[in-house]
Amino acid sequence: GQSLEQPSEVTAVEGAIVQINCTYQTSGFYGLSWYQQHDGGAPTFLSYNALDGLEETGRFSSFLSRSDSYGYLLLQELQMKDSASYFCALPGSTLTFGKGTMLLVSP
Amino acid sequence: DTAVSQTPKYLVTQMGNDKSIKCEQNLGHDTMYWYKQDSKKFLKIMFSYNNKELIINETVPNRFSPKSPDKAHLNLHINSLELGDSAVYFCASSQETGRGNYGYTFGSGTRLTVV
Repeated sequence: GQSLEQPSEVTAVEGAIVQINCTYQTSGFYGLSWYQQHDGGAPTFLSYNALDGLEETGRFSSFLSRSDSYGYLLLQELQMKDSASYFCALPGSTLTFGKGTMLLVSP
Repeated sequence: DTAVSQTPKYLVTQMGNDKSIKCEQNLGHDTMYWYKQDSKKFLKIMFSYNNKELIINETVPNRFSPKSPDKAHLNLHINSLELGDSAVYFCASSQETGRGNYGYTFGSGTRLTVV
């Protein structure tokens, strides 16, 4: 089976940098994805890592270490609109999600 | 607009009723899915369809049945609704079965409330 662990909640202030960690267990690894979901909205795809290292997309970056079964999402220059839930997920025959991390950004 | 669209957005119904949620995607994707998001925001796969064939059916009650008239549509039928069925149901699609860098595109969700 597959499982993912991530913190339930993270708080930060505008302009700061925050890191959301994710550890996973899986028998077959096809990469690690990240999704963002605002309250009342749909999950939206943010990033995908198949190889070790850092992938940067604007203010968001995602990191993967396959040997540690670990990844993180890094959000820089936080804005109020970044307040949302962030899910790490394992692609496979379907997408298996972690339980999500609620990010609260305060002024 | 290219997207995954699902209707209705809200559905309030009584226990024991039968209801359907419709989903359509115009992205040309190969696979469509239904996910259930509970009150704790946990997203759980329910069904997956590839080329009109059910490829994964997780341990959901058989009161739930997916129906795909064609590659672009995957509807969800629910019989004999129960209070525990209250949740947000998301339809999604992807280019392949999810392996690799093919992000899922989700519909806006259907909030089902059973009273």
